[in-house]
Amino acid sequence: QITLKESGPTLVKPTQTLTLTCTFSGFSLSTSGVGVGWIRQPPGKALEWLALIYWNDDKRYSPSLKSRLTITKDTSKNQVVLTMTNMDPVDTATYYCAHTPYSAFDYWGQGTLVTVSS
Amino acid sequence: QSALTQPASVSGSPGQSITISCTGTSSDVGGYNYVSWYQQHPGKAPKLMIYDVSKRPSGVSNRFSGSKSGNTASLTISGLQAEDEADYYCSSYTSSSLWVFGGGTKLTVL
Repeated sequence: QITLKESGPTLVKPTQTLTLTCTFSGFSLSTSGVGVGWIRQPPGKALEWLALIYWNDDKRYSPSLKSRLTITKDTSKNQVVLTMTNMDPVDTATYYCAHTPYSAFDYWGQGTLVTVSS
Repeated sequence: QSALTQPASVSGSPGQSITISCTGTSSDVGGYNYVSWYQQHPGKAPKLMIYDVSKRPSGVSNRFSGSKSGNTASLTISGLQAEDEADYYCSSYTSSSLWVFGGGTKLTVL
């Protein structure tokens, strides 16, 4: 079965760079049509789509955060990495990674809460 | 890109039906049949309930159904049950090959 799990720091300081890793199993990111996306959710607020990487290394970013985001994949390790630069307290959120077979996010990780504070 | 518009809250009594709307534009909801709906209970990850406007993943109750008309998609839950109380989010693929979520709707089962 498909599983995903996010990992990374729980606390980062303002202006630092956040690096999150999504480790998955049950599918290959070299299979045509498959992608892995990142979605975040500030406490008590709505989901916000951040970025997505496809099997062919096509990368998509939220326009409002594009300058701060980088998404990469390591197919051999079954991992997707998201980096976000210049972190701010408003970036405090639970960050999720999710599998997409193209048209929806069908499997989600449990999420990881990242707090930005000095 | 702007978030899709959902009502902040809806409510219904057990056994009743409710509908949650999700309004976008011709560049997202209206332009593609890639609208999906997610259920999220407190402290849990979102769960896919509807994809491609009206398709249900395996294991999702047939009490959940989806539809679309123009730039507005809808999620209908029939035969409301206490366990349906949760937050619901819509999402759509966009003309920029990106994704957008709605602002979320809190469903209260009275």
